[in-house]
Parts: sequence; structure tokens; C-alpha cells
Amino acid sequence: AQSVTQLGSHVSVSEGALVLLRCNYSSSVPPYLFWYVQYPNQGLQLLLKYTSAATLVKGINGFEAEFKKSETSFHLTKPSAHMSDAAEYFCAVSSTSGTYKYIFGTGTRLKVLA
Amino acid sequence: NAGVTQTPKFQVLKTGQSMTLQCAQDMNHEYMSWYRQDPGMGLRLIHYSVGAGITDQGEVPNGYNVSRSTTEDFPLRLLSAAPSQTSVYFCASSLPGQLNSPLHFGNGTRLTVT
Repeated sequence: AQSVTQLGSHVSVSEGALVLLRCNYSSSVPPYLFWYVQYPNQGLQLLLKYTSAATLVKGINGFEAEFKKSETSFHLTKPSAHMSDAAEYFCAVSSTSGTYKYIFGTGTRLKVLA
Repeated sequence: NAGVTQTPKFQVLKTGQSMTLQCAQDMNHEYMSWYRQDPGMGLRLIHYSVGAGITDQGEVPNGYNVSRSTTEDFPLRLLSAAPSQTSVYFCASSLPGQLNSPLHFGNGTRLTVT
């Protein structure tokens, strides 16, 4: 069965510092991977997605993620954090098992310190 | 372009009451789903549908019913509310049969059961 693990339920960074949010997946076949962002009292929005066309994926708001098959990882990064990046971030994998279509991690809440 | 619309935004129920959470999308998406979001648990799939007349259970279906009579609408019914159903509920839709198609989310319904 496919699964997603997000390491660190809370991450704090200073404004201007590197943002690194970790996501590891388990899958017996090449997966489709997604990062979503959730701002307070809102639904989830797509940040970026990996669909095997390129291992480095660029998304909105300056975020990017790199697919590393050898490490089964899809970590999200941003070179310089902004106060507006404070939100909860979810990694998700698209299931190929036929039972559930999307499997989400438990989320990482990002706090940006002034 | 409305996207995915959920109503109501907030609801308070007493134990044993019933209610229906509404979800409508105007993107002609065949796939629709309901998630609940609880602190530290990420998003858990309740029910999903791959088209009108077709529904299936997700990870946590107990206590919830769904139906899909049209492509646009996918209501979620709580037949006898329990405090354990206090949560934030999200409806999401996507194109079917394309595992690289991201989910589009509504803004959620915050439900409290007392």
C-alpha cells in the first residue's frame, strides 16, 4: 500500500531563511506526488506536482520540490521564507492501488519568525 | 469561476441530530470526495465517487452516507451526529482516470457536535 510520511509536524524558520519541509513516500510503482498549502480557515491549494517529466518541480510562490527515487523523497524547499508563507503544508501521493485515489501526509505547520 | 462550493461554513449540532453537508462543483469533474481534517491526523478520506451513481467508502466511512445523483453535487449526510464527528470537512474534486490530476478543494465546513 502506498503511504506518505511528513517529518516534523511543526517547523519554524526566520524570515529570509531557507524553508525545507520533508516528505517521504512508499510506493511499489512510480508515484504521482503533490504538495498542497492550506492557509488559515481555507481549503487546500495545489503548490506543485510531480508527474515524472522532470525531477525538479517548480511551483507557485517560489517553492520547488525535488523527486529523489533513491531516497523515496519529495522534499519541499524555498530559498527565502516570507511571512506570508506561514501555513500548513501537505504532501500527497496519487494511489495506483485502486482503493483510494489520494493519500495525504499528516501535514507540517510552518511558522515564519520576524 | 466558482470551483468547489461547500455549505454551510459552520454548523453546531446536538448529539443525535442529522444534517447534510452540501458540495457542488462547476468544473465537470467526475471524481468527487469528502475528507475530514483533525489536528495531527491530516486529511482522512470518508467517501468518494468516480461518477454519477457510483460511490465507495474511504478510510473512515462509519457514521456518514453519500449519494451522487448528478455530476455536480456530492452531499455528505450525518444520520445521527456524535461528538467524535466534530471536525472540519472538505469536499474535493478532480478529473477521473488521471492520477496526475490534482484535487480541487472547497473552503470547508467546520462542524461541532455537542
